[in-house]
Amino acid sequence: EPEVTQTPSHQVTQMGQEVILRCVPISNHLYFYWYRQILGQKVEFLVSFYNNEISEKSEIFDDQFSVERPDGSNFTLKIRSTKLEDSAMYFCASRGTFTSREQYFGPGTRLTVT
Amino acid sequence: GQQLNQSPQSMFIQEGEDVSMNCTSSSIFNTWLWYKQDPGEGPVLLIALYKAGELTSNGRLTAQFGITRKDSFLNISASIPSDVGIYFCAGPLPISGSARQLTFGSGTQLTVLP
Repeated sequence: EPEVTQTPSHQVTQMGQEVILRCVPISNHLYFYWYRQILGQKVEFLVSFYNNEISEKSEIFDDQFSVERPDGSNFTLKIRSTKLEDSAMYFCASRGTFTSREQYFGPGTRLTVT
Repeated sequence: GQQLNQSPQSMFIQEGEDVSMNCTSSSIFNTWLWYKQDPGEGPVLLIALYKAGELTSNGRLTAQFGITRKDSFLNISASIPSDVGIYFCAGPLPISGSARQLTFGSGTQLTVLP
């Protein structure tokens, strides 16, 4: 069964450093998302991406964040200068087509900023 | 922001018991998705609901899309130890447009006692 994969599973970084989180969405899916979940809290939307551009972003997704689809399979989230409060689980998700409504999530990357 | 209210927040049940949890919103939803999350993992899609009044089953799980389109419930019958986890309702708010980013509830933590 196709699945969303994410690497690394755990990333530890120092405050102020740049990190890149990587995702491989389900093949042939067209819509891609990043969400984050601070420990013990609910999952929050960060950004959606379609047709090689951002389609929606939340207030959390400020200038420190960027997304990219560098090739036909990878989808990345970059945090330019990490802050302590960026520590969270980051989930990538994908959705098939315009009419499909299900989103499938990856296993997540745990980001720890020290 | 928009809220999805889930109840109860947590449940402790005996193995073999049935479980019911629900999700309500002040906004109308066109889709309800129910996810399960195990510790340190990503949300796994359990059931998707597409229209008001719809009742859908997936094994021991049954979910319903409320007639008002502002609520949904999830039932688990004859619970087993592997049902332990956090159950989230989620859906795309109408304002999300074609991106259909998901708004998540706060989750119901289920513990199954042997």
